[in-house]
This record gives sequence, structure tokens and C-alpha cells, in this order.
Amino acid sequence: DAGVTQSPTHLIKTRGQQVTLRCSPKSGHDTVSWYQQALGQGPQFIFQYYEEEERQRGNFPDRFSGHQFPNYSSELNVNALLLGDSALYLCASSQGASGIFSYNEQFFGPGTRLTVL
Amino acid sequence: AQKITQTQPGMFVQEKEAVTLDCTYDTSDQSYGLFWYKQPSSGEMIFLIYQGSYDEQNATEGRYSLNFQKARKSANLVISASQLGDSAMYFCAMRERTNAGGFKTIFGAGTRLFVKA
Repeated sequence: DAGVTQSPTHLIKTRGQQVTLRCSPKSGHDTVSWYQQALGQGPQFIFQYYEEEERQRGNFPDRFSGHQFPNYSSELNVNALLLGDSALYLCASSQGASGIFSYNEQFFGPGTRLTVL
Repeated sequence: AQKITQTQPGMFVQEKEAVTLDCTYDTSDQSYGLFWYKQPSSGEMIFLIYQGSYDEQNATEGRYSLNFQKARKSANLVISASQLGDSAMYFCAMRERTNAGGFKTIFGAGTRLFVKA
């Protein structure tokens, strides 16, 4: 049973460029959440996709956008890259969009480390 | 305002001893979930333990237990019989409902645990 996979593992871009990160959820999961983890900090919630729609969004500018495909995989796009976008980008998958009352564990992928020069 | 506070940036523990990692949280909701994750140097977030806000018993998972004190809004992680492989970053997280009806997960800044041989 494959877990959450992310590609690429590492990426180097320059300021102003655009980047696309990819995530395949764990088998049986239909919800994908994206997080940004700057060095030495905890992950920050970017947004969540369920049924191919953005359901929840954290405090990130519109430069951060995403997409979910019918097979539940997801992409994170970042436009006009800034130096401050350098971080580990984590994808997490879960079953169902509303899991607050029930035990609804998120499984995380290994992350994509983005460096903006 | 910080919703998840981990006051210990770094902790040392002797192998085979127990260690407590502190976590306090802030929410006005009655329904929420609390999580602890382990992040080794490889970067992947590993789920350790979950506590629902209505759970009366403290959660336990093998060597991990969560000391849940709802009135104090604290959710400390206790690791018994520490092992060298426990050296990692540990994150406390809270899942709460959003205005849009879904949920999002908020992470603390983390505690780096060093296990000494």
C-alpha cells in the first residue's frame, strides 16, 4: 500500500519564477492538504482540496493556488516566487473533508524542498 | 495569537528514561482534536497519537501517551523508555473547525528531542 508521494523531492528556482509541486494521496484517501514548513518552524496550512475543490484556505496570498484531479492527486502552484517561499512543502492526505469529531488521521508525504535564489 | 504553544525548543533525555514534551493550545471551540507528530531529519511527519476534545481517557499508543488536561488547555506528550531513534522534532497540532464548515490543522513550533546514550 503506497503512502503519500510527492514530486519532486528538491527544487531550485529563482525569484519571479513559477513552480508546480505534485502530490499523490494514500490509497483510499480523497482529501489533500498542503502545508509550508519554513526552516525551524512548524508547518503552516496553505489549503485543502476535496472533491476537486478548494475547501479551506490558510493565510497565504493568491500566488499560491492548487488543483485536485479526479484521481484525487493534487498540485500546488506558486507564482512570482519570493525568497521567503523557500521551505519544505508537505502534502497530507486523509479520508473525508470533515474529520473533527471522528478520528481522521492525516498521512504526510516526504515533502518537496523548494529553494528560491 | 499563537494557538499552539510549545515552550521547549530543545530537550535532552537519557536513553531508557521518560520525557514529557509540553503543549498548550488556545481555542474557543468545544470540539477539536489534538495530535502529536514526529519529524525525523528526513522531513516526513509521522503521526504518533490523537486525543479528541470529548475523550475522557488520556490517549495511549505504545510508548506514547498524551496527558490531556482540558481545563488547562494542555496536551503534553509523554514518551516512556526513550530510545535513540526517538531523537527528532516533535510537533503538537490542533484540528479545529473553520467558518466554512471544514477543518484545518494548526501546528506548534516544535520541540527538538535529543536522546543521549
